Amino acid sequence: QVQLVESGGGVVQPGRSLRLSCAASGFTFSNYAMHWVRQAPGKGLEWVAVMSYDGSNTYYADSVKGRFTISRDNSKNTLYLQMNSLRTEDTAVYYCARGGRRWGQGTLVTVSS
Amino acid sequence: DIQMTQSPSSLSASVGDRVTITCQASQDISNYLNWFQQKPGKAPKLLIYDASNLETGVPSRFSGSGSGTDFTFTISSLQPEDIATYYCQQYDNLLLTFGGGTKVEIK
Repeated sequence: QVQLVESGGGVVQPGRSLRLSCAASGFTFSNYAMHWVRQAPGKGLEWVAVMSYDGSNTYYADSVKGRFTISRDNSKNTLYLQMNSLRTEDTAVYYCARGGRRWGQGTLVTVSS
Repeated sequence: DIQMTQSPSSLSASVGDRVTITCQASQDISNYLNWFQQKPGKAPKLLIYDASNLETGVPSRFSGSGSGTDFTFTISSLQPEDIATYYCQQYDNLLLTFGGGTKVEIK
């Protein structure tokens, strides 16, 4: 069955960097666009970024544009999110999602001094 | 960018009640709309896809309707295990937008 497992979250100081990973299994990863979606504590869902199935197209939310980079390695069935210049408002649970419909369990990123 | 306006933001209903949530898109999105259920500490779970299709394994008391800009999500008979926050999500090309969520509680 479809499985998405995020990792790489943790506590980081403002201005620092972090890289999240999402390991996919149970489906042909290279056939699907993949998203990152986040949820700040007690808040709603916010779409962050997407990469097309072949990596040729990427889009970002305005709130992360220029700071976050989405990438994928189809040979490793893995999606990434490189997060630079982190801010306290980036604190959230980060989910990867296949085509927006199937979600992982999330990984918590806390940006705090 | 497409905006999604979801209402109400919260509701309280009795077990067995019919519950309705609406979502309005800022422009025509055809039927490119999904509905999710999220329980505390858990990832969102897909209930309805393409506006009106019930995801496999989801109880038939959940349903969705609509197209264009106006969409409705219904729980025909609220059960205690339905306590959760519900979100609509539109998908336009590769972009996603979520409604603000509706927190459903038992009266």
